[in-house]
Amino acid sequence: AQSVTQLDSQVPVFEEAPVELRCNYSSSVSVYLFWYVQYPNQGLQLLLKYLSGSTLVKGINGFEAEFNKSQTSFHLRKPSVHISDTAEYFCAVNTNDYKLSFGAGTTVTVRA
Amino acid sequence: NAGVTQTPKFRVLKTGQSMTLLCAQDMNHEYMYWYRQDPGMGLRLIHYSVGEGTTAKGEVPDGYNVSRLKKQNFLLGLESAAPSQTSVYFCASSDREGQPQHFGDGTRLSIL
Repeated sequence: AQSVTQLDSQVPVFEEAPVELRCNYSSSVSVYLFWYVQYPNQGLQLLLKYLSGSTLVKGINGFEAEFNKSQTSFHLRKPSVHISDTAEYFCAVNTNDYKLSFGAGTTVTVRA
Repeated sequence: NAGVTQTPKFRVLKTGQSMTLLCAQDMNHEYMYWYRQDPGMGLRLIHYSVGEGTTAKGEVPDGYNVSRLKKQNFLLGLESAAPSQTSVYFCASSDREGQPQHFGDGTRLSIL
Protein backbone atom coordinates (compact mmCIF):
# COMPACT_ATOMS: atom_id res chain seq x y z
CA ALA A 1 0.00 0.00 0.00
CA GLN A 2 1.18 3.49 -0.73
CA SER A 3 1.08 6.55 1.51
CA VAL A 4 1.73 10.22 0.89
CA THR A 5 3.26 12.74 3.25
CA GLN A 6 3.13 16.46 2.62
CA LEU A 7 5.75 17.86 4.91
CA ASP A 8 4.28 21.33 5.38
CA SER A 9 0.67 21.99 6.34
CA GLN A 10 0.95 25.78 5.93
CA VAL A 11 3.27 27.80 3.72
CA PRO A 12 3.08 31.61 3.91
CA VAL A 13 4.95 33.38 1.12
CA PHE A 14 5.28 36.90 -0.22
CA GLU A 15 4.14 37.80 -3.71
CA GLU A 16 6.82 37.28 -6.39
CA ALA A 17 8.87 35.04 -4.05
CA PRO A 18 9.57 31.39 -4.92
CA VAL A 19 7.73 28.55 -3.24
CA GLU A 20 8.41 24.85 -2.78
CA LEU A 21 5.88 22.33 -1.50
CA ARG A 22 7.33 19.04 -0.36
CA CYS A 23 5.81 15.64 -0.98
CA ASN A 24 7.19 12.22 -0.09
CA TYR A 25 5.57 8.91 -0.84
CA SER A 26 6.09 5.31 0.11
CA SER A 27 5.49 2.56 -2.37
CA SER A 28 7.24 -0.65 -3.31
CA VAL A 29 6.15 -0.49 -6.95
CA SER A 30 6.23 2.01 -9.77
CA VAL A 31 4.02 5.01 -9.22
CA TYR A 32 2.19 7.74 -11.03
CA LEU A 33 2.33 11.10 -9.27
CA PHE A 34 0.05 14.11 -9.33
CA TRP A 35 -0.32 17.56 -7.87
CA TYR A 36 -3.78 19.05 -7.56
CA VAL A 37 -4.83 22.57 -6.53
CA GLN A 38 -8.03 23.46 -4.72
CA TYR A 39 -9.23 27.06 -4.65
CA PRO A 40 -11.75 28.03 -1.95
CA ASN A 41 -15.14 26.37 -2.37
CA GLN A 42 -14.08 24.58 -5.53
CA GLY A 43 -13.11 21.09 -6.57
CA LEU A 44 -9.61 19.84 -7.30
CA GLN A 45 -7.85 20.82 -10.51
CA LEU A 46 -4.91 18.93 -11.92
CA LEU A 47 -1.71 21.02 -11.86
CA LEU A 48 0.66 18.43 -13.29
CA LYS A 49 1.37 14.73 -13.51
CA TYR A 50 4.28 12.35 -13.75
CA LEU A 51 3.50 9.12 -15.57
CA SER A 52 6.89 8.27 -17.09
CA GLY A 53 9.82 9.84 -18.94
CA SER A 54 11.50 13.07 -17.91
CA THR A 55 11.66 13.52 -14.15
CA LEU A 56 11.07 17.28 -14.44
CA VAL A 57 7.43 17.91 -15.13
CA LYS A 58 5.92 21.23 -16.09
CA GLY A 59 2.31 22.05 -15.33
CA ILE A 60 -0.16 24.87 -15.58
CA ASN A 61 0.21 28.33 -14.06
CA GLY A 62 4.03 28.18 -14.05
CA PHE A 63 4.33 25.25 -11.63
CA GLU A 64 6.81 22.42 -12.05
CA ALA A 65 7.73 19.33 -10.06
CA GLU A 66 10.63 16.94 -9.98
CA PHE A 67 10.30 13.21 -9.48
CA ASN A 68 13.15 11.75 -7.45
CA LYS A 69 12.89 7.98 -7.32
CA SER A 70 15.79 7.42 -4.93
CA GLN A 71 14.36 9.88 -2.40
CA THR A 72 10.74 8.93 -3.19
CA SER A 73 9.84 12.59 -3.51
CA PHE A 74 7.81 14.76 -5.86
CA HIS A 75 8.29 18.36 -4.76
CA LEU A 76 6.32 21.16 -6.36
CA ARG A 77 7.92 24.53 -7.16
CA LYS A 78 7.07 27.90 -8.60
CA PRO A 79 9.76 30.57 -9.08
CA SER A 80 7.47 33.57 -8.51
CA VAL A 81 4.04 33.34 -6.92
CA HIS A 82 1.02 35.58 -7.35
CA ILE A 83 -1.79 36.43 -4.99
CA SER A 84 -4.00 34.18 -7.11
CA ASP A 85 -1.87 31.15 -6.14
CA THR A 86 -3.38 31.25 -2.67
CA ALA A 87 -4.99 27.82 -2.41
CA GLU A 88 -4.62 24.34 -0.97
CA TYR A 89 -2.33 21.95 -2.80
CA PHE A 90 -2.56 18.16 -2.72
CA CYS A 91 0.01 15.59 -3.72
CA ALA A 92 -1.40 12.23 -4.86
CA VAL A 93 0.02 8.84 -5.79
CA ASN A 94 -1.39 6.04 -7.91
CA THR A 95 0.11 2.60 -8.48
CA ASN A 96 -1.81 1.72 -11.65
CA ASP A 97 -4.87 0.55 -9.82
CA TYR A 98 -8.07 2.26 -8.82
CA LYS A 99 -6.72 3.91 -5.72
CA LEU A 100 -5.44 7.47 -5.67
CA SER A 101 -3.85 8.23 -2.29
CA PHE A 102 -3.78 11.86 -1.23
CA GLY A 103 -1.57 13.75 1.17
CA ALA A 104 -3.19 15.88 3.86
CA GLY A 105 -2.68 19.06 1.84
CA THR A 106 -0.57 22.21 2.06
CA THR A 107 -2.23 25.59 2.38
CA VAL A 108 -0.33 28.30 0.54
CA THR A 109 -1.08 31.88 1.50
CA VAL A 110 0.45 34.56 -0.69
CA ARG A 111 0.79 38.01 0.83
CA ALA A 112 1.47 41.30 -0.96
CA ASN B 1 -17.50 21.92 -20.80
CA ALA B 2 -19.54 20.33 -18.02
CA GLY B 3 -17.05 17.60 -17.01
CA VAL B 4 -18.17 16.26 -13.62
CA THR B 5 -21.35 17.73 -12.15
CA GLN B 6 -22.48 17.18 -8.58
CA THR B 7 -25.90 17.91 -7.16
CA PRO B 8 -26.83 19.34 -4.74
CA LYS B 9 -24.07 21.79 -3.83
CA PHE B 10 -25.21 22.25 -0.24
CA ARG B 11 -27.49 20.32 2.07
CA VAL B 12 -28.36 20.30 5.75
CA LEU B 13 -29.83 17.12 7.23
CA LYS B 14 -31.03 16.02 10.61
CA THR B 15 -29.56 12.91 12.21
CA GLY B 16 -31.32 9.82 10.91
CA GLN B 17 -32.50 11.34 7.64
CA SER B 18 -31.52 9.84 4.31
CA MET B 19 -30.39 11.43 1.10
CA THR B 20 -28.73 10.73 -2.22
CA LEU B 21 -25.91 12.69 -3.83
CA LEU B 22 -25.79 12.61 -7.61
CA CYS B 23 -22.69 12.69 -9.77
CA ALA B 24 -22.83 12.94 -13.55
CA GLN B 25 -19.92 12.94 -16.01
CA ASP B 26 -20.01 13.61 -19.74
CA MET B 27 -16.51 12.36 -20.65
CA ASN B 28 -17.47 8.72 -21.18
CA HIS B 29 -15.14 7.69 -18.35
CA GLU B 30 -15.22 4.12 -17.09
CA TYR B 31 -14.04 4.82 -13.54
CA MET B 32 -15.93 6.92 -11.02
CA TYR B 33 -15.16 7.67 -7.38
CA TRP B 34 -16.69 9.22 -4.28
CA TYR B 35 -14.42 10.91 -1.74
CA ARG B 36 -14.96 12.82 1.44
CA GLN B 37 -12.74 15.73 2.47
CA ASP B 38 -12.21 16.60 6.11
CA PRO B 39 -9.80 19.22 7.50
CA GLY B 40 -6.23 17.96 7.81
CA MET B 41 -7.05 14.57 6.30
CA GLY B 42 -6.90 15.15 2.57
CA LEU B 43 -9.39 13.16 0.53
CA ARG B 44 -10.46 9.67 1.52
CA LEU B 45 -12.07 7.24 -0.87
CA ILE B 46 -15.54 6.07 0.09
CA HIS B 47 -16.60 3.88 -2.85
CA TYR B 48 -15.63 3.54 -6.47
CA SER B 49 -16.83 1.95 -9.69
CA VAL B 50 -14.83 0.49 -12.58
CA GLY B 51 -17.77 0.41 -14.98
CA GLU B 52 -21.52 0.44 -15.38
CA GLY B 53 -23.17 -1.94 -12.93
CA THR B 54 -20.07 -2.34 -10.72
CA THR B 55 -19.24 -0.85 -7.33
CA ALA B 56 -16.56 -1.51 -4.71
CA LYS B 57 -15.58 -0.29 -1.25
CA GLY B 58 -12.83 2.23 -0.65
CA GLU B 59 -11.13 3.27 2.58
CA VAL B 60 -14.16 4.58 4.49
CA PRO B 61 -17.31 2.86 3.14
CA ASP B 62 -19.31 2.42 6.36
CA GLY B 63 -22.62 4.28 6.42
CA TYR B 64 -22.69 4.83 2.65
CA ASN B 65 -24.07 2.96 -0.34
CA VAL B 66 -23.56 3.58 -4.04
CA SER B 67 -25.06 2.62 -7.37
CA ARG B 68 -23.91 2.91 -10.99
CA LEU B 69 -26.89 1.98 -13.11
CA LYS B 70 -25.75 4.15 -16.00
CA LYS B 71 -22.18 4.74 -17.10
CA GLN B 72 -22.43 8.50 -16.74
CA ASN B 73 -24.00 8.55 -13.25
CA PHE B 74 -22.70 7.52 -9.84
CA LEU B 75 -24.99 7.93 -6.84
CA LEU B 76 -23.92 8.10 -3.20
CA GLY B 77 -26.54 7.34 -0.57
CA LEU B 78 -26.70 7.94 3.14
CA GLU B 79 -29.43 5.74 4.61
CA SER B 80 -29.35 7.15 8.14
CA ALA B 81 -27.22 10.27 8.40
CA ALA B 82 -24.93 10.77 11.39
CA PRO B 83 -23.08 13.93 12.53
CA SER B 84 -19.77 12.17 11.73
CA GLN B 85 -20.78 12.28 8.08
CA THR B 86 -20.66 16.07 8.04
CA SER B 87 -18.09 16.70 5.32
CA VAL B 88 -17.47 17.91 1.81
CA TYR B 89 -18.08 15.16 -0.72
CA PHE B 90 -16.33 15.03 -4.07
CA CYS B 91 -17.04 12.89 -7.06
CA ALA B 92 -14.34 12.16 -9.64
CA SER B 93 -13.93 10.18 -12.83
CA SER B 94 -11.08 8.83 -14.95
CA ASP B 95 -10.85 6.91 -18.18
CA ARG B 96 -8.64 4.13 -16.79
CA GLU B 97 -6.32 3.12 -14.00
CA GLY B 98 -3.36 5.33 -13.31
CA GLN B 99 -4.74 8.32 -15.18
CA PRO B 100 -5.64 11.71 -13.69
CA GLN B 101 -9.01 11.97 -12.06
CA HIS B 102 -11.39 14.82 -12.91
CA PHE B 103 -13.28 16.27 -9.97
CA GLY B 104 -16.64 17.91 -9.46
CA ASP B 105 -17.06 21.07 -7.39
CA GLY B 106 -18.22 19.17 -4.30
CA THR B 107 -21.27 18.87 -2.09
CA ARG B 108 -21.09 20.47 1.33
CA LEU B 109 -23.16 18.34 3.69
CA SER B 110 -23.98 19.25 7.29
CA ILE B 111 -25.73 16.83 9.61
CA LEU B 112 -27.21 18.25 12.77
